Amino acid sequence: SYDLTQPPSVSVSPGQTVSISCSGDGLGRKYVSWYHVKPGQAPILVIYQNKRRPSGIPERFSGSNSGNTATLTISGTQAMDEADYYCQAWVSSTFVVFGGGTKLTVL
Amino acid sequence: EVQLVQSGAEVKKPGESLRISCKGSGYSFTSYWIGWVRQMPGKGLEWMGIVWPDDSDTRYSPSFEGQVTISADKSISTAYLQWSSLKASDTAMYYCARHGGSYGDGDYHMDVWGKGTTVTVSS
Repeated sequence: SYDLTQPPSVSVSPGQTVSISCSGDGLGRKYVSWYHVKPGQAPILVIYQNKRRPSGIPERFSGSNSGNTATLTISGTQAMDEADYYCQAWVSSTFVVFGGGTKLTVL
Repeated sequence: EVQLVQSGAEVKKPGESLRISCKGSGYSFTSYWIGWVRQMPGKGLEWMGIVWPDDSDTRYSPSFEGQVTISADKSISTAYLQWSSLKASDTAMYYCARHGGSYGDGDYHMDVWGKGTTVTVSS
């Protein structure tokens, strides 16, 4: 099976920049999407095709993907960004897979 | 407005069957894969499988193959997730979502989500 590995948690101070990694074998050759999930709410797509932002997602969200690691970066982090973040990719053998999720705490 | 509307919360006993639904509107329902995602209490997102509503082609995650059935009725723009015999371990929130993207390029991002259906299985 194909695994996407994320750190369980990261923390950041308001206004600072934080990066969340997502690692997988050859991940740089795949399209990666990112979602944030707040308690009691449905997931929201924040990045797709590695670095594209859906309409309505603030510019402070950006993404990159190279080698075996994709990265979600939030610049000027705000309290409202506190959530769980998941990466996702398409894998031919299992079709779609999610990472284990990263809890972002804004201290 | 593009949206997916899911059926309401369910409380069932072990061994019972269940079908939950996801109705799409505001877009061409037959032109996008619809996926199902499980989130168990306090746990992460798990992709279960998808259906192509136009011809009901389905694909399953190996973890869910044989455990659930995914289907669709294009005449009413609705996708389904069903169980023939529920277990306590099926207790979770279930989301449906539209897979947007360029499928041929391996882009299966999920751009529209339903609000989720809570399934509780308890004796």
